[in-house]
Amino acid sequence: DTGVSQDPRHKITKRGQNVTFRCDPISEHNRLYWYRQTLGQGPEFLTYFQNEAQLEKSRLLSDRFSAERPKGSFSTLEIQRTEQGDSAMYLCAGQGGKETQYFGPGTRLLVL
Amino acid sequence: AQSVTQPDIHITVSEGASLELRCNYSYGATPYLFWYVQSPGQGLQLLLKYFSGDTLVQGIKGFEAEFKRSQSSFNLRKPSVHWSDAAEYFCAVGGNTGTASKLTFGTGTRLQVTL
Repeated sequence: DTGVSQDPRHKITKRGQNVTFRCDPISEHNRLYWYRQTLGQGPEFLTYFQNEAQLEKSRLLSDRFSAERPKGSFSTLEIQRTEQGDSAMYLCAGQGGKETQYFGPGTRLLVL
Repeated sequence: AQSVTQPDIHITVSEGASLELRCNYSYGATPYLFWYVQSPGQGLQLLLKYFSGDTLVQGIKGFEAEFKRSQSSFNLRKPSVHWSDAAEYFCAVGGNTGTASKLTFGTGTRLQVTL
């Protein structure tokens, strides 16, 4: 158990709907990352936070995606106007200092 | 740009046989290297990591990996595979500062273990 939790674990939605995912790292994780993993691929970086500051966003993160980490603790990832291509596993990872990223169990999104 | 290549998409080994999963990386500075394992529908579990020092690193579940700078490789090995090792294995590279700390993953190697 890495101590990183994600909610929900599964989400089924219809195209065009908005969805929001939550990630709760442990308190020592000052950095928080979001990755997306599609079937048969490795995770791909989306964005990362140092405390509450969002320091980098991937080009994969279209303007329909937004992420926040308001108090430097939990983080949310929102997808607006979902498309079928958004179907994937969304993984969150926490990191303390310069060490290892510890991953949560992921949220699997299916857009119908 | 950093990248990771895992040349073997799928490997099948017999239980008790030895295992080597290949990983080649491209990175402009001293890399941080990782191996993660993922069971179906689950998140990623860290097997081992290399930051610096001894190029042969030991991990959990009897796995080890060797960093070879001259070959840009970080291959994962296990002397005797157990049926429970069947999973997807990902090699990843990252940096140690700022935005370089994001991880770049390979496409993974799926390990099947026959009894």
